[in-house]
Amino acid sequence: NAGVTQTPKFQVLKTGQSMTLQCAQDMNHNSMYWYRQDPGMGLRLIYYSASEGTTDKGEVPNGYNVSRLNKREFSLRLESAAPSQTSVYFCASTRGLAGVADTQYFGPGTRLTVL
Amino acid sequence: AQTVTQSQPEMSVQEAETVTLSCTYDTSESDYYLFWYKQPPSRQMILVIRQEAYKQQNATENRFSVNFQKAAKSFSLKISDSQLGDAAMYFCAVGNFGNEKLTFGTGTRLTIIP
Repeated sequence: NAGVTQTPKFQVLKTGQSMTLQCAQDMNHNSMYWYRQDPGMGLRLIYYSASEGTTDKGEVPNGYNVSRLNKREFSLRLESAAPSQTSVYFCASTRGLAGVADTQYFGPGTRLTVL
Repeated sequence: AQTVTQSQPEMSVQEAETVTLSCTYDTSESDYYLFWYKQPPSRQMILVIRQEAYKQQNATENRFSVNFQKAAKSFSLKISDSQLGDAAMYFCAVGNFGNEKLTFGTGTRLTIIP
């Protein structure tokens, strides 16, 4: 049981380049999330998908787009990378059942550097 | 909007001793839940313990326990018999029922002194 997987683990981009971070979960979870982690800032929510076919903005959505490809996969796209997007990106998932306070399970993270 | 404050950026403890990490939060929700996550150098976020706000009894998981003071909006983590493997960043987080977005604190880096 792999849980939540993310690719790639590391990436270096030049300013203006685009890329997509991939996330997949094999736990049949409904809800998926993208966070970024910066030093001294904790984790901040970028986008989330409460269920297949829906996506919503989180706290810091500017400069990002997401796609909930199917129930398993939730991708994060940087259309024109900026140095301010240098960060560690985490994907997470949870069962997403109404009225249930569920634990979020995290992937191993992607360290992205934008030069 | 919810906020989570971890006022101790760094803590250290002797191996086998007990340490308490503090966390305060603010939320306008009546139903919510709280987590402590551990992030070792591997970067993996690992759930340590969780607490539903409607439960009066403090959660316990082996050497880890919480002191949940709902009126004071305080949710501290106590680690007993500290072990070298407990060295990590610890994040406190709050989430709402029906809207599972989590708000995280800025973390406390725990060092275990052999």
